[in-house]
Amino acid sequence: SAVISQKPSRDICQRGTSLTIQCQVDSQVTMMFWYRQQPGQSLTLIATANQGSEATYESGFVIDKFPISRPNLTFSTLTVSNMSPEDSSIYLCSGQGLETQYFGPGTRLLVL
Amino acid sequence: DAKTTQPTSMDCAEGRAANLPCNHSTISGNEYVYWYRQIHSQGPQYIIHGLKNNETNEMASLIITEDRKSSTLILPHATLRDTAVYYCIVRVFSGGKLIFGQGTELSVKP
Repeated sequence: SAVISQKPSRDICQRGTSLTIQCQVDSQVTMMFWYRQQPGQSLTLIATANQGSEATYESGFVIDKFPISRPNLTFSTLTVSNMSPEDSSIYLCSGQGLETQYFGPGTRLLVL
Repeated sequence: DAKTTQPTSMDCAEGRAANLPCNHSTISGNEYVYWYRQIHSQGPQYIIHGLKNNETNEMASLIITEDRKSSTLILPHATLRDTAVYYCIVRVFSGGKLIFGQGTELSVKP
């Protein structure tokens, strides 16, 4: 199984600023994903992070707001840009292993 | 990806079996049934998956109907630590996206 870590674990940010979340996997995974979980809601897929190329975004999510990088097979970043209080959520990183998908503990973001 | 339907919430007595149903009537022939759970404030945890045969591991059993249109996750002896939201998801094996529905909130009570 893969162990996924995220940094920071939580943050409080001011509106209009940006935050970059880091995701590190302890072994190679084929695909990496970023999810958002708004308060009291289920997980929503933001995008698939592609190594060495632009991420593939789901409907309703755009690169200007959520730029994503994946420079190698075990690391990815998600930036939440020009934040507003509506961006207050838990952001989760996920990696596809041989048979199943593993999740990080999440980054809890509060925007004031 | 096929969609799933689960009850919003369920209760279970500690020590008893918890049976969580899931309907996936539009599942395709190459799609598997996956179960995850999310304990409060943690990332989702993989439980089990299957194609058409019943599956069992150290955490749970998965029973899939012969027509594959529904399944049941069984926690044989529920404990308080099994209190969580349980998600039933269908997707192709080891690929594609995990699309989460609303899941079933299971409360295990003493």
